[in-house]
Formats: sequence, structure tokens, C-alpha cells
Amino acid sequence: NAGVMQNPRHLVRRRGQEARLRCSPMKGHSHVYWYRQLPEEGLKFMVYLQKENIIDESGMPKERFSAEFPKEGPSILRIQQVVRGDSAAYFCASSPGVPVSTQYFGPGTRLTVL
Amino acid sequence: GQQLNQSPQSMFIQEGEDVSMNCTSSSIFNTWLWYKQEPGEGPVLLIALYKAGELTSNGRLTAQFGITRKDSFLNISASIPSDVGIYFCAGQLRGSQGNLIFGKGTKLSVKP
Repeated sequence: NAGVMQNPRHLVRRRGQEARLRCSPMKGHSHVYWYRQLPEEGLKFMVYLQKENIIDESGMPKERFSAEFPKEGPSILRIQQVVRGDSAAYFCASSPGVPVSTQYFGPGTRLTVL
Repeated sequence: GQQLNQSPQSMFIQEGEDVSMNCTSSSIFNTWLWYKQEPGEGPVLLIALYKAGELTSNGRLTAQFGITRKDSFLNISASIPSDVGIYFCAGQLRGSQGNLIFGKGTKLSVKP
């Protein structure tokens, strides 16, 4: 049973470009969470989605960041007009729904903004 | 925002020693999870705790969900070099939608 898949593993963007990060949850999981991790820090929650719905986006910056989890295909975290402060590791987790908080993480996407 | 206080921040131990780390908060949690993260990788789930007072083992690892629901500890017995990594506690607050709050991690170094 494949785990949570994320791609790309590394992404380099110049300031002002767009970054798209993809996450495929574990088979049978319909809940997806995105977290951001800065060096030497714990993970910080960004957004929680179920298929086609955003459940909680309280950790998402109000501008430039968006997330979706369509009926078909992976979840996408999109960062528009990236700035150097967006450089971080972005992790996706998935859960089966019951119990909701048993979350399994992917390997992450390391975003570097030049 | 809500805080989880994880300690110690780092540990340097000899192979074979036992290790203990803990997380505390002023808030009540429904769930406590312990993860291990190695460089360049995502966190790997070690133990999940769902009930106050619950004590759960996974091999040489043992974790407990505090009775007050505001704390948890993780013990590693007879440490080995491959235990090296950063250990994170994470909790789901009572009444939250499902997002986890993470501690800042305990960096474990094991000397052979």
C-alpha cells in the first residue's frame, strides 16, 4: 500500500513566479492536510481539505496561497508570486477520516525561492 | 496561537541508555501523536494516543497520554544508533477540525 506521495521533492523558483505542489493521499484516505516547516522548527498547519471541500484554512496566509483537492487527482497547494520568505519544506498528510487525527505524512516538497 | 512545550530540545546519549521526552500544554487535547523525522524526510508516525491515561508501546518505544489531557511523554529504551533523529509530539485540540499542533522537536543524538 503506497504511502502519501508528494511531487516535486525539490522546487526552485525565482521571486514572482508561481509554485505548484502536489499531494496524492494514501489509498482510501479522503482527508488531506498541508503543513509548512521552517528550518529547526516544528510543522505549522496550513489547510485541511476533504474531496472538493476546504474544511479549515485557518493557517493559510490570506494572500497568494490557495489549495484544492478535486474529485479526481491530487491535492494542489498553489503559491502565487513567491517571495523569499516562502522558502520552506511543505508537507502533506492524509487520514482515513476515523480517527481523523491519525495523519500520515509524505516526504515533503522543499521550495527554494531565489 | 496554541503552544506545545516540548522538552528537552536536544539530547546526547550513549548507545544502550534510555531516553525520555515530553510535551505539555495549557490546553486540553483529544489526541496525542509522536513522530520521528530524519533529515530530508517527512515525519513518520510512531505512536498514536486517543484516551486520557492510555499507555501504548511500539517495540522499544512507550508513550502515555496524560490524565489531565494536557501532556504526553515518550520513552525509548535501550537506544541504538538508528534512533537518531528529531522526535515531535503533535496534538489535536479538543473542538478543533482535525489540524495538528506540533512541538518544536527533540533532537536525539546517540553515541555508539
